[in-house]
Amino acid sequence: EDQVTQSPEALRLQEGESSSLNCSYTVSGLRGLFWYRQDPGKGPEFLFTLYSAGEEKEKERLKATLTKKESFLHITAPKPEDSATYLCAVQGGGGKLIFGQGTELSVKP
Amino acid sequence: DAGVIQSPRHEVTEMGQEVTLRCKPISGHNSLFWYRQTMMRGLELLIYFNNNVPIDDSGMPEDRFSAKMPNASFSTLKIQPSEPRDSAVYFCASSPEPIYYGYTFGSGTRLTVV
Repeated sequence: EDQVTQSPEALRLQEGESSSLNCSYTVSGLRGLFWYRQDPGKGPEFLFTLYSAGEEKEKERLKATLTKKESFLHITAPKPEDSATYLCAVQGGGGKLIFGQGTELSVKP
Repeated sequence: DAGVIQSPRHEVTEMGQEVTLRCKPISGHNSLFWYRQTMMRGLELLIYFNNNVPIDDSGMPEDRFSAKMPNASFSTLKIQPSEPRDSAVYFCASSPEPIYYGYTFGSGTRLTVV
């Protein structure tokens, strides 16, 4: 059964304090690994798709990496506006996105 | 592009009543997904359609839940009768193809059953 586990559940950082979020997965026939950002009261917003081990993608202060068993979302010098819940999801052969529970990130000024 | 449009944004209903949630996907997207989000279980896929045809409804909790997609621009999720444990945020998402693309989510419907 496809499964996604994210850690930590919650992360509190000071502005400028870099860190990483982890997403461990098991999936039959990985088609893609997705990162989303979700703000309170809103739907998840797409950030990145990674397709194969070794791939990296960047967007502003965020960088996503992928291995055969996990993905990391690195946040460099975060700002308060980066505070949100970050969701990881995997897509197997069936086309469904299976989501992890998310990491709630809080960045204090 | 107006994005995925869901209505209503909030719904409060009494136990036993019928509830209908609505979704308009992005034009040209031929895959549509219904998700439910709770604190305990996170985001769970309920059902997904491809070209208006239900492909996988294994996530639908029980017979009280039903979903339809009569055309490419409209879908409904119905709960009859509703129960307090159905309280959650229900999201609709659409995608140009079911594989290889991330989904675009709507803003969700917050359902409260009292």
